[in-house]
Amino acid sequence: NAGVTQTPKFQVLKTGQSMTLQCAQDMNHNSMYWYRQDPGMGLRLIYYSASEGTTDKGEVPNGYNVSRLNKREFSLRLESAAPSQTSVYFCASIPKEGANVLTFGAGSRLTVL
Amino acid sequence: QKEVEQNSGPLSVPEGAIASLNCTYSDRGSQSFFWYRQYSGKSPELIMSIYSNGDKEDGRFTAQLNKASQYVSLLIRDSQPSDSATYLCAVLLGGGYNKLIFGAGTRLAVHP
Repeated sequence: NAGVTQTPKFQVLKTGQSMTLQCAQDMNHNSMYWYRQDPGMGLRLIYYSASEGTTDKGEVPNGYNVSRLNKREFSLRLESAAPSQTSVYFCASIPKEGANVLTFGAGSRLTVL
Repeated sequence: QKEVEQNSGPLSVPEGAIASLNCTYSDRGSQSFFWYRQYSGKSPELIMSIYSNGDKEDGRFTAQLNKASQYVSLLIRDSQPSDSATYLCAVLLGGGYNKLIFGAGTRLAVHP
């Protein structure tokens, strides 16, 4: 039982390159989230998926796209990376509204040069 | 106005004292509230969840919720240097969309 698995853990990109951050959970959770964390900014919601087949914008969606491939997997894509997207990205999942188990992945540190 | 607001700190308390962390939120439909602790370079970890008005205690931690005032707090009794971390308040917004928003976090420093 691995919980929430994010890949890659570290990535360096050049401006304009594209990449996809992968997230998978094996807990049969309904809702999945992508956050970014910058110094002094807490966690800011990029996109989330309340259930399989649905995705919605969060606080800072510009420059990102997501795919809820199935119940287990929720990927985040940067089509044309910019230095402003240098950040630590966290994927998380939660079973249902009101449940007290929000499980985070280990984080992915992305640097855009 | 941000949906979830916290004082960024740092909040500095001596070992053994009570640390009080505060959070306000704007969505009156919110029903679920969480406190996470995050050590530098690590993922956030859940400390407390609270859903009803009043206090909820777990060991040295007490969460307090006042929905009328849209206010959530976390008290840490007998603070230890190991409690030094950033504390994140999270709110599950109303409307049934499972949108979970975090505050910017409060950095706590417990000094011996």
